[in-house]
Amino acid sequence: AIRMTQSPSSLSASTGDRVTITCRASQGISSYLAWYQQKPGKAPKLLIYAASTLQSGVPSRFSGSGSGTDFTLTISCLQSEDFATYYCQQYYSYPGTFGQGTKVEIK
Amino acid sequence: EVQLVESGGVVVQPGGSLRLSCAASGFTFDDYTMHWVRQAPGKGLEWVSLISWDGGSTYYADSVKGRFTISRDNSKNSLYLQMNSLRTEDTALYYCAKDMVQGVIITWRFDYWGQGTLVTVSS
Repeated sequence: AIRMTQSPSSLSASTGDRVTITCRASQGISSYLAWYQQKPGKAPKLLIYAASTLQSGVPSRFSGSGSGTDFTLTISCLQSEDFATYYCQQYYSYPGTFGQGTKVEIK
Repeated sequence: EVQLVESGGVVVQPGGSLRLSCAASGFTFDDYTMHWVRQAPGKGLEWVSLISWDGGSTYYADSVKGRFTISRDNSKNSLYLQMNSLRTEDTALYYCAKDMVQGVIITWRFDYWGQGTLVTVSS
């Protein structure tokens, strides 16, 4: 199975900051990458798919980039409701595997 | 509004069995592949199983293959997961999730999730 590695595992940031999370695949996955946001006690929410396509209803401060093995999720201006854990997921090959998560905490 | 409501999670002893259910509404259930994804306490997400729109194709994670069986009843808009030979490492919150695209294509992108049902395997 393809291994997905996120960095950092956690970060502290302030409201208004620009935040970048990195996801690396153990082999090339083209652009078959999704990002999910999970808040405590809630189900994950799809933010981005195809590496850079924003899911309907997701604020434009979220953006994704990359292809092949290296990907990033950027939050351009962190809002209070963005403090959560973020997961990347490859869907290039079976089974779709997730990264270990990046927790974005309040500084 | 799309809704997925899981049920059936309980405390069960190692080696025991359990059947999870997921009731779907707000979309044409029999148009979509459905998935089970789990999350152990304090841990990340792990895909468990999927079933195609018509039930004709099923896939499993290696960790559950031979022990879990996914099924669906399109007449009842319901998804199921039969879990046998349970292990302590199966302890997790189990989510049902809807695939993003209707039809025969399985995208492995999950656009709607339920709130999960907790399975605890402990003696």
